[in-house]
Amino acid sequence: AQSVSQHNHHVILSEAASLELGCNYSYGGTVNLFWYVQYPGQHLQLLLKYFSGDPLVKGIKGFEAEFIKSKFSFNLRKPSVQWSDTAEYFCALRLTGTASKLTFGTGTRLQVTL
Amino acid sequence: GAVVSQHPSWVICKSGTSVKIECRSLDFQATTMFWYRQFPKQSLMLMATSNEGSKATYEQGVEKDKFLINHASLTLSTLTVTSAHPEDSSFYICSAYTDSSNTEAFFGQGTRLTVV
Repeated sequence: AQSVSQHNHHVILSEAASLELGCNYSYGGTVNLFWYVQYPGQHLQLLLKYFSGDPLVKGIKGFEAEFIKSKFSFNLRKPSVQWSDTAEYFCALRLTGTASKLTFGTGTRLQVTL
Repeated sequence: GAVVSQHPSWVICKSGTSVKIECRSLDFQATTMFWYRQFPKQSLMLMATSNEGSKATYEQGVEKDKFLINHASLTLSTLTVTSAHPEDSSFYICSAYTDSSNTEAFFGQGTRLTVV
């Protein structure tokens, strides 16, 4: 069965610092990959997604992620974080050509200090 | 983006009682909705896939008689936790895709269930 690992459970950064959150998955076939963000008290929102093509995908709010197939990774990056980026971040995958359910990682709580 | 609304946002109930959680797609029709459960500091785990007009598909290990799912219309799916126990206390989240291409799932805000 497929799985998603997020190694950083809690990350604390100062404003303007660069961010990289790790995401690795386990599955031998083709997958779609997603990053979701959940701000306190709000819905899960899609940050970005990778289906095919350019492995470097850009999302909303200045986030980007790079799919490295050889490493089974889909790390999330942002050059300069803001206090408003404080949230929980979830990496997820979906198997292509199957039912649309998502498999989530455990999430990373990002805390940005002023 | 599309809006998925859950109600209630939080609920406290006594052991042995049943609780119903509603998931509505406010501005689109959803033939399929998904119910997830999240334990503290853990991942969202898919419980079941709710299909409009037919029986839900449950993931392995999820008791279908305990977690009753009804998807009576294209905009409403309900999850009923029957004979709730403290171990059912959790965060329940629903999601839906807006179209058949399934490019992006939209999530409800979640329901925090506490069974005392």
